[in-house]
Amino acid sequence: DVKVTQSSRYLVKRTGEKVFLECVQDMDHENMFWYRQDPGLGLRLIYFSYDVKMKEKGDIPEGYSVSREKKERFSLILESASTNQTSMYLCASSFPSGVATDTQYFGPGTRLTVL
Amino acid sequence: AQSVTQLDSQVPVFEEAPVELRCNYSSSVSVYLFWYVQYPNQGLQLLLKYLSGSTLVESINGFEAEFNKSQTSFHLRKPSVHISDTAEYFCAVSDEETSYDKVIFGPGTSLSVIP
Repeated sequence: DVKVTQSSRYLVKRTGEKVFLECVQDMDHENMFWYRQDPGLGLRLIYFSYDVKMKEKGDIPEGYSVSREKKERFSLILESASTNQTSMYLCASSFPSGVATDTQYFGPGTRLTVL
Repeated sequence: AQSVTQLDSQVPVFEEAPVELRCNYSSSVSVYLFWYVQYPNQGLQLLLKYLSGSTLVESINGFEAEFNKSQTSFHLRKPSVHISDTAEYFCAVSDEETSYDKVIFGPGTSLSVIP
């Protein structure tokens, strides 16, 4: 079974802190994604990466950055956390389209609260 | 650009009754379509998908969805729901403009099955 793990289920940080969210997948997937999930808005793509050291902005990249130094690990960084970044953060991974099943596999999520 | 509309944010239904969750998408090119489900306190998991071929696709737990290109819809149906179907359901689309790798999610529909 594919496994996508996220470093924390719950996280509480203060405004202005630098926050790191880590995601690891064990299926050798090329693609990795970071979403935030908010009630009534569904999932919105923050960043995605299609290879090591490669990244592309999603729909809401402002206030976030990412790092992918190894294929299995994709980190989301909040340079200076703000209260409007309080949300559920979901990581996902997949093979490139056309290679396999085009299915995204999701981690359990990190609920971040910024005070 | 892609977008996904799920008109019903909440759908209450009695146990053993039929249900339809509506999904419409906007894209002018060839698409892949997905339904993901999120059970309480869990991550998202794929329920079913349409990539090509038969426009009617089924899941292992009795859900089905039909791709209707002329109406740009991918509605999810189940003839008889169970309590265990209570969850959040997300419709999603990817298309050839982004090589099918980038998936856009709808806002979600919360299905509540009433005993």
